[in-house]
Amino acid sequence: DAKTTQPPSMDCAEGRAANLPCNHSTISGNEYVYWYRQIHSQGPQYIIHGLKNNETNEMASLIITEDRKSSTLILPHATLRDTAVYYCIVRGRYNFNKFYFGSGTKLNVKP
Amino acid sequence: AAGVIQSPRHLIKEKRETATLKCYPIPRHDTVYWYQQGPGQDPQFLISFYEKMQSDKGSIPDRFSAQQFSDYHSELNMSSLELGDSALYFCASSFGQGDIDTQYFGPGTRLTVL
Repeated sequence: DAKTTQPPSMDCAEGRAANLPCNHSTISGNEYVYWYRQIHSQGPQYIIHGLKNNETNEMASLIITEDRKSSTLILPHATLRDTAVYYCIVRGRYNFNKFYFGSGTKLNVKP
Repeated sequence: AAGVIQSPRHLIKEKRETATLKCYPIPRHDTVYWYQQGPGQDPQFLISFYEKMQSDKGSIPDRFSAQQFSDYHSELNMSSLELGDSALYFCASSFGQGDIDTQYFGPGTRLTVL
């Protein structure tokens, strides 16, 4: 399974866009990139996922580079409630079921 | 919208006791996954079931067992509890088990072993 690398922490001012990077240089052609977040010991919350094209939903946008070796999650207008650990996950190639959670990025949204 | 339900939310046990955690998936979801998250750690996959059959297995101790019932709910049974089993246990559910079947997580059960 492709390994992901994320910065351990990031700060963002409230109301500004938060851009969270993720490297997944060993991703294979049929693997999806998922983003989840976990707010203080709550269950991980699904945000968005994508394969090749950029994706947008009511929560965020996902930008995947053309070579698919990295992606960026964008929260367009961060609020204090967006403070959480954000996990970038590549879905397992041969074991589709499980998610491998890496260390994630702790996003601190500050007033 | 209905979410994944886990019970109990909190559980305190003594060493060597047994614990049973329950998970009720989102209606019409047929796949259930269990994850363990130790203090300060990231969630680790334990086991999953699809259509009542075990579909994948992670780092689940032999002291733990799980099953999925005909109504698709799942139970994680933990015996001979150890202090190191103290953790948050999350259940997630999805419809199907393909690449793009999104997993939705429950609120978790916090198990404390004394």
